[in-house]
Amino acid sequence: GQQLNQSPQSMFIQEGEDVSMNCTSSSIFNTWLWYKQDPGEGPVLLIALYKAGELTSNGRLTAQFGITRKDSFLNISASIPSDVGIYFCAGHKAGGTSYGKLTFGQGTILTVHP
Amino acid sequence: DTEVTQTPKHLVMGMTNKKSLKCEQHMGHRAMYWYKQKAKKPPELMFVYSYEKLSINESVPSRFSPECPNSSLLNLHLHALQPEDSALYLCASSPWPMLRNYEQYFGPGTRLTVT
Repeated sequence: GQQLNQSPQSMFIQEGEDVSMNCTSSSIFNTWLWYKQDPGEGPVLLIALYKAGELTSNGRLTAQFGITRKDSFLNISASIPSDVGIYFCAGHKAGGTSYGKLTFGQGTILTVHP
Repeated sequence: DTEVTQTPKHLVMGMTNKKSLKCEQHMGHRAMYWYKQKAKKPPELMFVYSYEKLSINESVPSRFSPECPNSSLLNLHLHALQPEDSALYLCASSPWPMLRNYEQYFGPGTRLTVT
């Protein structure tokens, strides 16, 4: 099925550095979600965005719902070793009958070196 | 409480076995989902239940059979699986359609190995 274009695919950073990742789509979304997944576990919801232009923070994490409604960004400030994992964006398309289906990005694999 | 529980955590089964995966949520959500996930890939939607009725079957082979006995429980019955079905199986629930809230809350998953 369709996937969102998520970049970068992977990042190798030093502890303390800031991280940015984004998702883009050719379709308009009415909800953007950001998840983190640790190995062998299920994805955990980090941030949910509902309005174009919305900027939301959760601790060191900040995410934005793009003005065009076709993209979203996640920033992590002052990374720490426990930030390691795979980050997925997910969106819910506007309009139509979706049955609550989400479209997922391919994921960004984050590695943090102490 | 945003907890979704899944059992078992790990499952190894032969290709002739019949087994079931179980999922439970107590958030009062009326939408529940089954996903299949391969390593380092995003979850792939398999089934959606809305108000205990099957809303979406994403062309999943019949060797996977979902069941929603009540609003809190979701099962996935497995029969005659193939080695390529080995994956992490995730259950999720959502406040939709009761609310226009499309957040999905995932369980920890069942790691399935088919031998």
